[in-house]
Amino acid sequence: TQLLEQSPQFLSIQEGENLTVYCNSSSVFSSLQWYRQEPGEGPVLLVTVVTGGEVKKLKRLTFQFGDARKDSSLHITAAQPGDTGLYLCAGGYYGQNFVFGPGTRLSVLP
Amino acid sequence: DAGVTQSPTHLIKTRGQQVTLRCSPKSGHDTVSWYQQALGQGPQFIFQYYEEEERQRGNFPDRFSGHQFPNYSSELNVNALLLGDSALYLCASSSGTGFHQPQHFGDGTRLSIL
Repeated sequence: TQLLEQSPQFLSIQEGENLTVYCNSSSVFSSLQWYRQEPGEGPVLLVTVVTGGEVKKLKRLTFQFGDARKDSSLHITAAQPGDTGLYLCAGGYYGQNFVFGPGTRLSVLP
Repeated sequence: DAGVTQSPTHLIKTRGQQVTLRCSPKSGHDTVSWYQQALGQGPQFIFQYYEEEERQRGNFPDRFSGHQFPNYSSELNVNALLLGDSALYLCASSSGTGFHQPQHFGDGTRLSIL
């Protein structure tokens, strides 16, 4: 059974600060996605990474996929209150189902 | 261009009852996946439908069943409801069954079991 861990579980920071959240698995991903979910809404896809070592940027968000494809990080530069939400990583595994991590709940205070 | 729509938005049932949740996928999508999200947790995969057949299934009992219609819309049925079935049920649609495909989620149905 695949297990996805995310850290930290909760993060509260001031507007303008930088932060990094992490996603780790004991198994190799075939692909990995990051989502953001706001209260009362479904998750919204931010990025999909497939290749080990891959780095993708989305405005102030930088996503990195580990070389071994077992971990990933999301870095946010100069966080804004609009970045507040639940950040979920989700992995596809070869021949297996799609698994979500428990999420990192981010609060950016003005 | 309508995204994924789910109905109803909220539902209250009692133990032992049965419930049906509905999902219309994003235009152009042919695959529907269902997830259960308990409070404070990430979504858990229930099953995926493509070409009107269940293609993959997560670790959920047979009380959870589904259906996909020719217009790609889908239903999730849960029988003999338990208190632990209280959760947000999310539907996601995609083009194709590969999990690397972008999934578009609806805003979910909040199911409460009394």
